[in-house]
Amino acid sequence: DIQMTQSPASLSASLGETVTIECLTSEDIYSNLAWYQQKPGKSPQLLIYYANILNDGVPSRFSGSGSGTQYSLKINSLQSEDVSIYFCQQNYDSPLTFGSGTKLEIK
Amino acid sequence: QVQLQQSGAELVKPGSSVKISCKASGHTFTSYDMHWIKQQPGNGLEWIGWIYPGNGNTKYNQKFNGKATLTADKSSSTAYMQLSSLTSEDSAVYFCARYRRGGNWFAYWGQGTLVTVSS
Repeated sequence: DIQMTQSPASLSASLGETVTIECLTSEDIYSNLAWYQQKPGKSPQLLIYYANILNDGVPSRFSGSGSGTQYSLKINSLQSEDVSIYFCQQNYDSPLTFGSGTKLEIK
Repeated sequence: QVQLQQSGAELVKPGSSVKISCKASGHTFTSYDMHWIKQQPGNGLEWIGWIYPGNGNTKYNQKFNGKATLTADKSSSTAYMQLSSLTSEDSAVYFCARYRRGGNWFAYWGQGTLVTVSS
């Protein structure tokens, strides 16, 4: 199975700041990576796919980058509604696997 | 619009089985794989497998072989997951999810079904 190592596990930042979340994969997944946002008590929502493509309706302050085994999610101008857990996920190989999540809070 | 409506929370006893449902609307049910994903409290997400309702084909994460059984009823556009020989490790929220059109990414999710295994 492809292992997904996500960091940090938790993150606290101020409104308006920029934050970055990292996802390392145990092998090259050729940009077959997505990022999801999960608000408390809700289902995950697709933010980004193919490492850097914004899903429909996702604010442009979210961006993704990376290749090979290293990927990142950046959130510019942090807003209060961004408080969530963020997960990365690969679909390069079966079984599909997810990162362990990053909990983002506002200072 | 695409909607996935899951059945309600279940409280079940160890050793028993449970069957949860996911009713799809807003799209051609038989044209898209339906996936199931497990989320334990405070933990990450685990992919269980998928079923293609068009022909009943399934694919499972090896970890869930023998634990989960996926079925689908075309007449009611409903996908099912049965979990057997339940233990406390099966206590979790279970989601059904569908890929977006034109890409293998989970753009549509059910609201989740909480399964609690307790005597």
